[in-house]
Amino acid sequence: GAVVSQHPSRVICKSGTSVKIECRSLDFQATTMFWYRQFPKKSLMLMATSNEGSKATYEQGVEKDKFLINHASLTLSTLTVTSAHPEDSSFYICSAEVGNQPQHFGDGTRLSIL
Amino acid sequence: GNSVTQMEGPVTLSEEAFLTINCTYTATGYPSLFWYVQYPGEGLQLLLKATKADDKGSNKGFEATYRKETTSFHLEKGSVQVSDSAVYFCALSGIGGTALIFGKGTTLSVSS
Repeated sequence: GAVVSQHPSRVICKSGTSVKIECRSLDFQATTMFWYRQFPKKSLMLMATSNEGSKATYEQGVEKDKFLINHASLTLSTLTVTSAHPEDSSFYICSAEVGNQPQHFGDGTRLSIL
Repeated sequence: GNSVTQMEGPVTLSEEAFLTINCTYTATGYPSLFWYVQYPGEGLQLLLKATKADDKGSNKGFEATYRKETTSFHLEKGSVQVSDSAVYFCALSGIGGTALIFGKGTTLSVSS
């Protein structure tokens, strides 16, 4: 079945650094990729919708300059958390879809900022 | 706007017990409805889906029926196993867009 790979699975870094998370669709070309954030014991919050070759559409309250999304190809989208701080610590999950098929999710990235 | 409400957890059951996790939704038009499962430390996996009223989604012994009249999509399983322990999310996808709207998730814990 369709597979979405997300990397890294876990990252720990110091406050002030930038962290890049990759999301790849391995066996299909994704028309759209989504980035979600999940707080402990909470639901997933949509951060942004990303289409290849165009600017991402951010949800209300999500800082565009803080969470940079690049969607350079039909199989790769990246989320960069810039100048990360402890409050950015969270579980970030990407998903990808093609056509009207259900989204396929990556395994998530646990980001811990010290 | 569109929203999903699912029962608060945690739900704690013994092996072979019957499971129901309630999910209701608010949406304009005719959304598609989904159940996703998240095992500890992992991402989300699609469990089942239904795209129109009266559709029944089923997978791995789990079932849910799209009830337009009650705007519900309750998840059921006749006999749970320890391996079913996970967090279950109800979600909907509205017309004209495919971003998923999730419920808050229900933690299921099954003991032997």
